[in-house]
Amino acid sequence: DTEVTQTPKHLVMGMTNKKSLKCEQHMGHRAMYWYKQKAKKPPELMFVYSYEKLSINESVPSRFSPECPNSSLLNLHLHALQPEDSALYLCASSQADGGSGYTFGSGTRLTVV
Amino acid sequence: AQSVTQPDIHITVSEGASLELRCNYSYGATPYLFWYVQSPGQGLQLLLKYFSGDTLVQGIKGFEAEFKRSQSSFNLRKPSVHWSDAAEYFCAVGANIYGQNFVFGPGTRLSVLP
Repeated sequence: DTEVTQTPKHLVMGMTNKKSLKCEQHMGHRAMYWYKQKAKKPPELMFVYSYEKLSINESVPSRFSPECPNSSLLNLHLHALQPEDSALYLCASSQADGGSGYTFGSGTRLTVV
Repeated sequence: AQSVTQPDIHITVSEGASLELRCNYSYGATPYLFWYVQSPGQGLQLLLKYFSGDTLVQGIKGFEAEFKRSQSSFNLRKPSVHWSDAAEYFCAVGANIYGQNFVFGPGTRLSVLP
């Protein structure tokens, strides 16, 4: 298996809702990432997990809460989002040193209404 | 810290024509260099990568890239473009340090004329 699977593919949520994005990989990668991508922009790093521990948080607001329950799963819990949080959320995984490049999922298109 | 520039925001080529997308990086040591492609509404797919060794690297879908240390460049090339190559292309540089993330360039949008 050489894929990163993200669910759901599309999500519409209200500003008072709580939802979660899910990411799964079975490549034995020990680093996993959340990126946010706005239209016509490159991906922006949000969080990095290395060996299931949060190693980088790029000053992301607390309404985004990551979780890595095991080496294959990565979640992003969403609460009280704002319309400007609407974006494509990409999950990626890699070997621990990132050196072989990242494998990206196809993303979750999030719309906050 | 590393940085990446892609001087061309948008390039249009005719189908069958050759293609070169430019990428320049800034990094104090030997970088990890990558090219990714993104079709509309999709995730990113790795086209090719350079770590060391032969400076001309071959990738998927007929793409190749050449690492030129003296010019701090890693340009992507394809001899004959297909309509399905229309997409956004991102160059990225990674530090050779455990756990450090990539820096993506701003991207180049490729349009292909029939």
